[in-house]
Amino acid sequence: DIQLTQSPSFLSASVGDRVTITCRASQRISYYLAWYQQKPGKAPNLLIYAASTLQSGVSSRFSGSGSGTEFTLTISSLQPEDFATYYCQYLNSHPLFGPGTKVDIK
Amino acid sequence: EVQLFESGGGLVQPGGSLRLSCAASGFTFDSYVMSWVRQAPGKGPEWVSSLSVGSSTAYYADSVRGRFGISRDNSKNSLYLQMNSLRAEDTALYYCATARNYGGRFYFDFWGQGALVIVSS
Repeated sequence: DIQLTQSPSFLSASVGDRVTITCRASQRISYYLAWYQQKPGKAPNLLIYAASTLQSGVSSRFSGSGSGTEFTLTISSLQPEDFATYYCQYLNSHPLFGPGTKVDIK
Repeated sequence: EVQLFESGGGLVQPGGSLRLSCAASGFTFDSYVMSWVRQAPGKGPEWVSSLSVGSSTAYYADSVRGRFGISRDNSKNSLYLQMNSLRAEDTALYYCATARNYGGRFYFDFWGQGALVIVSS
């Protein structure tokens, strides 16, 4: 079975910082990866799918890259509303979510 | 505006049953694969089940296969999850979500607010 890991698990950053989160798959998954943002008490919100395609309505400061086993989510300039937990998800008939990365205020 | 509203959650004893419903509006329901995704307290999301547009194909996570049943009524724009033989580890917030079909692979673009299921004696 494919496993997803995310690093770091926790990240402390300041407004304006460039932030990069990594998701690694235990086997090659081509570009079948999505990213979500989740704020406390809210449902996850789709940011990116197919590794690098920005979901409609999502800010262009979010970008995704990678293929195979290593993927990254980059926030070009962290804004106050970006402090949240981020999850990667393997696109599959049996989808799988990563363990998450919490981005907190430094 | 896409809206998904889950109902039917509650407190149930281990071994008991519960049926969740999801009322959808704002999109063409019978054109979308629909899914249930759950999230235990303090944990990440876990996909539970998906159902094709015409109900011909259902997918289940290993953790719920044989105990949970997904169904839909396109005439009522509604999705359901029948949960039987509930266990403590099924305690979670259950989200209804629209599943985009990307070459037979799913991701989730719209989510409801969730229905809380607590399994405890």
